[in-house]
Amino acid sequence: EVQLVESGGGLVQPGWSLRLSCAASGLTVSSNYMAWVRQAPGKGLEWVSVIYTSGSTFYADSVKGRFSISRDNSRNILYLQMNSLRAEDTAVYYCAREQVARRLIAGFDFWGQGTMVTVSS
Amino acid sequence: DIQMTQSPSSLSASVGDRVTITCRASQSISSYLNWYQQKPGKAPNLLIYTASNLQSGVPSRFSGSGSGTDFTLTISSLQPEDFAVYYCQQTYSTPRTFGPGTKVEIK
Repeated sequence: EVQLVESGGGLVQPGWSLRLSCAASGLTVSSNYMAWVRQAPGKGLEWVSVIYTSGSTFYADSVKGRFSISRDNSRNILYLQMNSLRAEDTAVYYCAREQVARRLIAGFDFWGQGTMVTVSS
Repeated sequence: DIQMTQSPSSLSASVGDRVTITCRASQSISSYLNWYQQKPGKAPNLLIYTASNLQSGVPSRFSGSGSGTDFTLTISSLQPEDFAVYYCQQTYSTPRTFGPGTKVEIK
C-alpha cells in the first residue's frame, strides 16, 4: 500500500523559511515523478513543483526562486524548502505521485494528507 | 502558461441526475487532461486520466471525453457521495495548471 505522509508545516512569520517533508512508503521517490500541490484556505488547487526521476525540477512562477524541491533517496523522502515566505503562501501543502500511463503523464494518483503552512505576523 | 477554465463554477443537482462539467484549455493539450474529485478536508482523488481513462477503483458512472482544448466530465447518475468539488488539470506542460473547480451541490 502506498502512503505519503507530509510533515513540517506550522505558523511562521513573513520572510521566514520552512522545510516540508513527505515520507513515502510503498513507492520509491527517486523512481517516480513527485510533486507538491497547495491549496489556500477556501481556494482551489495550485500546482507548486515537480521533480522528475532524472532530477530535473520545475516550479510555479509564484514560488520560483524561493522554493526548492529535492529528495533523499536513501530515506525515501521528498522535500520542499520554502524561503522568503509570504502571506500568500498560506495553504495546505500536499505531496503527490505523478503517474505515468502508457508513457503519458497521467495525473496525481497518490496524495498525502497535507500539512498546513500559515504565514502571518 | 496554459490556462484552464471550467464551467459551470457550481451546479445544483439531484440524486440520479446526469451531470456534465466542461473544462477548456487556453491552447491545445492533446489528451493530457485529468479530472479530480475533492471532498471537504480531504486530498483530491484522481477520477479520469488522459481525458478518458477511468482511474482504477473509480465507479463507472464517471466518464471523460475530449481532446485538444475542450473536455467534459460526465457523471451518468449522480449519487449522494458525488457531491464534491471537481477539478480538471493539464499535464501537457509545466506548470501543470488546475482549473478553478466546479462545486456540485445537492438540489
